Amino acid sequence: QQQVKQSPQSLIVQKGGISIINCAYENTAFDYFPWYQQFPGKGPALLIAIRPDVSEKKEGRFTISFNKSAKQFSLHIMDSQPGDSATYFCAASPYASGGSYIPTFGRGTSLIVHP
Amino acid sequence: GAVVSQHPSRVICKSGTSVKIECRSLDFQATTMFWYRQFPKQSLMLMATSNEGSKATYEQGVEKDKFLINHASLTLSTLTVTSAHPEDSSFYICSATGSGWETQYFGPGTRLLVL
Repeated sequence: QQQVKQSPQSLIVQKGGISIINCAYENTAFDYFPWYQQFPGKGPALLIAIRPDVSEKKEGRFTISFNKSAKQFSLHIMDSQPGDSATYFCAASPYASGGSYIPTFGRGTSLIVHP
Repeated sequence: GAVVSQHPSRVICKSGTSVKIECRSLDFQATTMFWYRQFPKQSLMLMATSNEGSKATYEQGVEKDKFLINHASLTLSTLTVTSAHPEDSSFYICSATGSGWETQYFGPGTRLLVL
């Protein structure tokens, strides 16, 4: 059972366009929602993250929009660049006893930004 | 800050041999480390969680006798793939987090090819 559903599986955007990736979750105990960026042959790197007490968080060209009632959150990449071409994973995690957040990952979105 | 390294980055071995992968937190104390496996164009599959000085907690379906995990210090965890077979070929990624941290920081990954 997939607890975090991510879409689309792949996305092609022109340079300068907006890339939008969506995720939906089911577990209401989730309270931390990070997005990771992964280039081929590399480990994932934290891009941006949000807690459910805010509806939006922006860092540079990257924005997370969060809808707690709908249990959905999305990543918006403004002014997409060819260097943004990578696989993006959303994740969600509850606060675990003992102090460790163990995330559930979405299946990933392969983004290609054409020059 | 929060840098995680892995060694080796690539390893090729013969079927039946054992392979050890190291994961180190370079600039923080990693109270918890995680080991993931990733197949091509797929998401991250959590294999096990380990806390320093404790036995690892393995996810359902992961053979603990085949994938030996040791977390002997606050900066080092090792994954040993014992009696490796071609089906163990994969991309193995570790991550680490500090006590109470929300975010995991990933290593660069190790590509294992078993011939």
